[in-house]
Amino acid sequence: EAGVTQFPSHSVIEKGQTVTLRCDPISGHDNLYWYRRVMGKEIKFLLHFVKESKQDESGMPNNRFLAERTGGTYSTLKVQPAELEDSGVYFCASSQFGLAGVRETQYFGPGTRLLVL
Amino acid sequence: AQTVTQSQPEMSVQEAETVTLSCTYDTSENNYYLFWYKQPPSRQMILVIRQEAYKQQNATENRFSVNFQKAAKSFSLKISDSQLGDTAMYFCAFMKIQGAQKLVFGQGTRLTINP
Repeated sequence: EAGVTQFPSHSVIEKGQTVTLRCDPISGHDNLYWYRRVMGKEIKFLLHFVKESKQDESGMPNNRFLAERTGGTYSTLKVQPAELEDSGVYFCASSQFGLAGVRETQYFGPGTRLLVL
Repeated sequence: AQTVTQSQPEMSVQEAETVTLSCTYDTSENNYYLFWYKQPPSRQMILVIRQEAYKQQNATENRFSVNFQKAAKSFSLKISDSQLGDTAMYFCAFMKIQGAQKLVFGQGTRLTINP
C-alpha cells in the first residue's frame, strides 16, 4: 500500500512568487492534515480536511495560504505571494475516519522543503 | 492550549546502549493521546508508539517503551539495545480526544547512535 506522497520534494522560489504544494494521502483516508516546521522550531498544525471540507483551519498563518482538496482526494497548498518567513518544511498527513472518541494514527508524507529567497 | 516540551535538543549514545528521551506536556484535558514519532535522515516521519491517557499500562513496541506519568504530565521514550537505524529526530506529540484532531508537537530531540 502506498504511503502519503508529496510533491515537490524541494522548491526554491523568490519572494513574491507563487508556489503550490501537493499531497496525495493514503487511499481511503478521509482525514488530511497540513503541518509546517520552520527551521529550528516545532512542527505546527496548519489545517485539517475531512474529505473535501475544511474541518479546522485555525493554524493557517494568513490569507496568503490557500488549501484545497477537490473531490476529497489529493490536496494542494498554495502560497501566494511567498515571503521569506514561509521557508520551512511542509508536511502532509492522513488518517482513517475514526469513531467518536477514537483518534486514528496520522501517517506522514516525506515533506516539501520550501526555501524563499 | 496544550504545549509539549522536549528538553533535550540532542543526544548521543553508543550502539546497544539504552537511551531515554524526555517529554513533558501541559493540558487541562483528562483524556488524550500521546505519540512518539521518528524522522530518520531520509525524512519520512513514522509513528514509533502511541499511548491513550486512560490506559494505565505503559505502551511498548519491541525495543521501544514509554514511561507515562499522567499526574506529572510526563511521557518519556526508552529505546533498549539501540541500533544504528535508530538515529533520527524524535518528536513527542499530543492530541485531544474531543474536538480538534491536530497534533501538538514538541521541538524534537536529535538522537545519534554511534557505532
